[in-house]
Amino acid sequence: EADIYQTPRYLVIGTGKKITLECSQTMGHDKMYWYQQDPGMELHLIHYSYGVNSTEKGDLSSESTVSRIRTEHFPLTLESARPSHTSQYLCASSGTYQETQYFGPGTRLLVL
Amino acid sequence: GQQLNQSPQSMFIQEGEDVSMNCTSSSIFNTWLWYKQDPGEGPVLLIALYKAGELTSNGRLTAQFGITRKDSFLNISASIPSDVGIYFCAGRSRGQNFVFGPGTRLSVLP
Repeated sequence: EADIYQTPRYLVIGTGKKITLECSQTMGHDKMYWYQQDPGMELHLIHYSYGVNSTEKGDLSSESTVSRIRTEHFPLTLESARPSHTSQYLCASSGTYQETQYFGPGTRLLVL
Repeated sequence: GQQLNQSPQSMFIQEGEDVSMNCTSSSIFNTWLWYKQDPGEGPVLLIALYKAGELTSNGRLTAQFGITRKDSFLNISASIPSDVGIYFCAGRSRGQNFVFGPGTRLSVLP
């Protein structure tokens, strides 16, 4: 079983608010990822990190930002939430050689 | 960019039937992964494949790494109601991030 955690699991927030979605893993994985997924649809990579102080934008443009100050922690921040940000956000991690990728349970975000 | 296609897009089967689905790519991959996702949850890793021609089982699930390295297959034998969900394939070329397919939606009728 994967040891990767996300909080909160569900978040309802008003337009314009700043939010941070938390993701942490206890597997010592170098690589971490954030995906955005609408219900039942494809996963879109929005950010990834190959290690501490390394962050890159993914394939899907996103207004969110990420940081990687500690190996185990990869938070995602939206400075000003909008209804178009309503979606499920999935965090994942993989080891140095990317043999596998494990996902957290996701955060379902609703922006009113 | 790399793209994955999954077939079928959705399927409805009777409980007890076997299920087959596949994933194809325009690129050669070194790793294939298969995931199952329940509504509102994150994808759960089912099977990982690392070598062309490799056949790997996990209980009633069997997956194969295609010999051309551009496809992979997942079979579920004797389906049960809890098999319902979306099955995603993911492939990776050396030095690249994983690419995910659009998913196959499985419904199991009692």
